[in-house]
Amino acid sequence: QKEVEQNSGPLSVPEGAIASLNCTYSDRGSQSFFWYRQYSGKSPELIMSIYSNGDKEDGRFTAQLNKASQYVSLLIRDSQPSDSATYLCAVMGPGNQFYFGTGTSLTVIP
Amino acid sequence: EPEVTQTPSHQVTQMGQEVILRCVPISNHLYFYWYRQILGQKVEFLVSFYNNEISEKSEIFDDQFSVERPDGSNFTLKIRSTKLEDSAMYFCASSPTRTRYEQYFGPGTRLTVT
Repeated sequence: QKEVEQNSGPLSVPEGAIASLNCTYSDRGSQSFFWYRQYSGKSPELIMSIYSNGDKEDGRFTAQLNKASQYVSLLIRDSQPSDSATYLCAVMGPGNQFYFGTGTSLTVIP
Repeated sequence: EPEVTQTPSHQVTQMGQEVILRCVPISNHLYFYWYRQILGQKVEFLVSFYNNEISEKSEIFDDQFSVERPDGSNFTLKIRSTKLEDSAMYFCASSPTRTRYEQYFGPGTRLTVT
């Protein structure tokens, strides 16, 4: 059973702070990792992909991957109220199937 | 900006009926996917499709499900005999060749089976 685990939250941060979202996965053979944002009642929206160990930055977002620890994270700098959403971690397993976590609910307080 | 579109936005059907959910992927994308999300639960992979055939499918995608690309623009998911537990939001996604795993999701079709 391939699992992707996320803390469901809710995570609350003040506006302007850094939000840190974490995800662990069970299949050591996984190679591709993604963060999606899902507003309530809407579809997932791709934020970042990461394939190699280390950090990948895109604007206010930084994804971090540690394959040895089977851990991927997303940092959101200068959090804005519009960042309030559920953040989904997704992993592509060795069979090219995609597994999503249950998501972490983030609230940015003005 | 190009988007994935899905129709209908909401489909209500009776148990045992067949439904077809439609998607128009982004025009230059070659990889297509269907997912479902039962209310309050995680997004679940159903199937991926490339070059007019299924690439991968999950355990959920049993004989009751089928996919088709009937023409150059549409991508459909058919559920042959719906069950109550098929009630969910169904998302279509597509991805381009160069970044084939970075998927762009459509707005979804909410399927309600009564």
